[in-house]
Amino acid sequence: DVKVTQSSRYLVKRTGEKVFLECVQDMDHENMFWYRQDPGLGLRLIYFSYDVKMKEKGDIPEGYSVSREKKERFSLILESASTNQTSMYLCASRDGTSPGEQYFGPGTRLTVT
Amino acid sequence: DQQVKQNSPSLSVQEGRISILNCDYTNSMFDYFLWYKKYPAEGPTFLISISSIKDKNEDGRFTVFLNKSAKHLSLHIVPSQPGDSAVYFCAARYNFNKFYFGSGTKLNVKP
Repeated sequence: DVKVTQSSRYLVKRTGEKVFLECVQDMDHENMFWYRQDPGLGLRLIYFSYDVKMKEKGDIPEGYSVSREKKERFSLILESASTNQTSMYLCASRDGTSPGEQYFGPGTRLTVT
Repeated sequence: DQQVKQNSPSLSVQEGRISILNCDYTNSMFDYFLWYKKYPAEGPTFLISISSIKDKNEDGRFTVFLNKSAKHLSLHIVPSQPGDSAVYFCAARYNFNKFYFGSGTKLNVKP
């Protein structure tokens, strides 16, 4: 059973703080993703990674960076958190042989005050 | 501008009846379409998918229909059960790893 875990369910940070969101998957998937989910907008892709140390921008990468030093771990970094980054953040992983099915973590609700 | 749209934020259906969830897209280069189901406080879980070269895929009570000329996707659930009550997202794949999601439809199946 594939498991994707995220380091925190809820997080409250102050404007300007550096924020790390961690994601770990246990199925040896090549591909990992970070999305944010906002009401009325669905899930929007921030960054994805197709291999260790490899990353590509999604649709809304501004204000975010990522790190993938190990295959099972994909980190999302907010260099200087802002209030418009208050959102639900979802991590996902995918086997490269599957056409599209992603496995999602439970999400991190981030509030920036 | 959203490339995948779900225009109905909510849908209410009686148990045993058919639920039809709809999704429209704009990019003809999407090559794979998926539906996910999401319960509160959980991440989305994969439900069913369809390749752009097909027009129908069935899995038990769930059937996905693809109308490429209309750029329209639908999910049929027959018969609907109370446990199907959740938010349903449609998604489309572009260029292997880029996925675009709709805003979701909240389905309520009444006993």
